[in-house]
Amino acid sequence: ILNVEQSPQSLHVQEGDSTNFTCSFPSSNFYALHWYRWETAKSPEALFVMTLNGDEKKKGRISATLNTKEGYSYLYIKGSQPEDSATYLCALSRSGNTGKLIFGQGTTLQVKP
Amino acid sequence: DAGVIQSPRHEVTEMGQEVTLRCKPISGHNSLFWYRQTMMRGLELLIYFNNNVPIDDSGMPEDRFSAKMPNASFSTLKIQPSEPRDSAVYFCASKGVQGGNQPQHFGDGTRLSIL
Repeated sequence: ILNVEQSPQSLHVQEGDSTNFTCSFPSSNFYALHWYRWETAKSPEALFVMTLNGDEKKKGRISATLNTKEGYSYLYIKGSQPEDSATYLCALSRSGNTGKLIFGQGTTLQVKP
Repeated sequence: DAGVIQSPRHEVTEMGQEVTLRCKPISGHNSLFWYRQTMMRGLELLIYFNNNVPIDDSGMPEDRFSAKMPNASFSTLKIQPSEPRDSAVYFCASKGVQGGNQPQHFGDGTRLSIL
């Protein structure tokens, strides 16, 4: 069974705090690691897709890093804002498939004004 | 550009009834995915299609569930007969290129309640 693990499960921070969460995955047959942002009552929205060890991607105040050898990715949010409140999902794509993603359970972030 | 379109947005029906969920992928996308979201299991892949052909249906819970993609612009997920434990949010997603390094684009989901 393949497990994509995310931690922490939930996080409460104050507006302005910077925060980060972790996605762990089996490193064998790695192909790509996806991050999605999922607001309540909406649909998941793609943030990043990373494929190479050492990849770093940035979108505004959100950035992500990837370590395929040890099987983890970090998502960072700098200066959290209330609108960052959402569930952040990571998903693994393995080599040899045609696009199937294995999702983690997500980290739910609540940013208090 | 229109995104992935799902219908209905909400469905409430009695157990034993047939339920049909519909999805229109983004034009030009050739991969389509059906997911189910529950509190207990999170986001689970039920089935996916490449070029209208089912590739992996190992996530389909049981024979009561079936999915079709008769053409590149339409897919259905059918539950017959429905049961209360099928209550969940069902998402459809599409992707433009085969392979795992392209993001999936999700519809707004169908919230299904089986009484």
